[in-house]
Amino acid sequence: DADVTQTPRNRITKTGKRIMLECSQTKGHDRMYWYRQDPGLGLRLIYYSFDVKDINKGEISDGYSVSRQAQAKFSLSLESAIPNQTALYFCATSDPPGRQTSTDTQYFGPGTRLTVL
Amino acid sequence: QKEVEQNSGPLSVPEGAIASLNCTYSDRVSQSFFWYRQYSGKSPELIMSIYSNGDKEDGRFTAQLNKASQYVSLLIRDSQPSDSATYLCAVGGDSGYSTLTFGKGTMLLVSP
Repeated sequence: DADVTQTPRNRITKTGKRIMLECSQTKGHDRMYWYRQDPGLGLRLIYYSFDVKDINKGEISDGYSVSRQAQAKFSLSLESAIPNQTALYFCATSDPPGRQTSTDTQYFGPGTRLTVL
Repeated sequence: QKEVEQNSGPLSVPEGAIASLNCTYSDRVSQSFFWYRQYSGKSPELIMSIYSNGDKEDGRFTAQLNKASQYVSLLIRDSQPSDSATYLCAVGGDSGYSTLTFGKGTMLLVSP
């Protein structure tokens, strides 16, 4: 089984709809991240969480919200989807420096392709 | 605003050649550096991490770091068509609470 899973893998929705993307991990990592990827723009950080009680805005948080339900679960919501939120969304996880041999190494889920019409 | 710059490519090399991918970063206090490989439509996959100046080798891959020049590179020896992908450079800060900043990636094409 994959260490980081994302559901759904593909989603087509309409403008104005509320959408939730879910991420689960079995790596036992404390830290979780949400990124979006657009052609030519690279990976951009939306929100991140260093532990269950910690939520931080990333570079492009407007129009998004998150919930860290447990160490293993981190959800991203689009309250009212708009077409320019069409993108590939990735969840990633990592452990704090010192716990593993690699500092801040992030491991990515398979991605969710979201299309907003 | 932290910046990580990569040439978008494509970088085209013949099979068996050495591919050289380059990355520069703006934050002088950056401490951790990563190379990810991403196939089209797939998720980024970690290839190498490097934290100290110099070279780090892992199989056909060598990462090179020069903090004074704020430059990190990835060399792929004996390039194979299966190496054709986009390579993302990611840079971490000087704190255990920093996040990664990703470059936009360099597309590598290895022709048989």
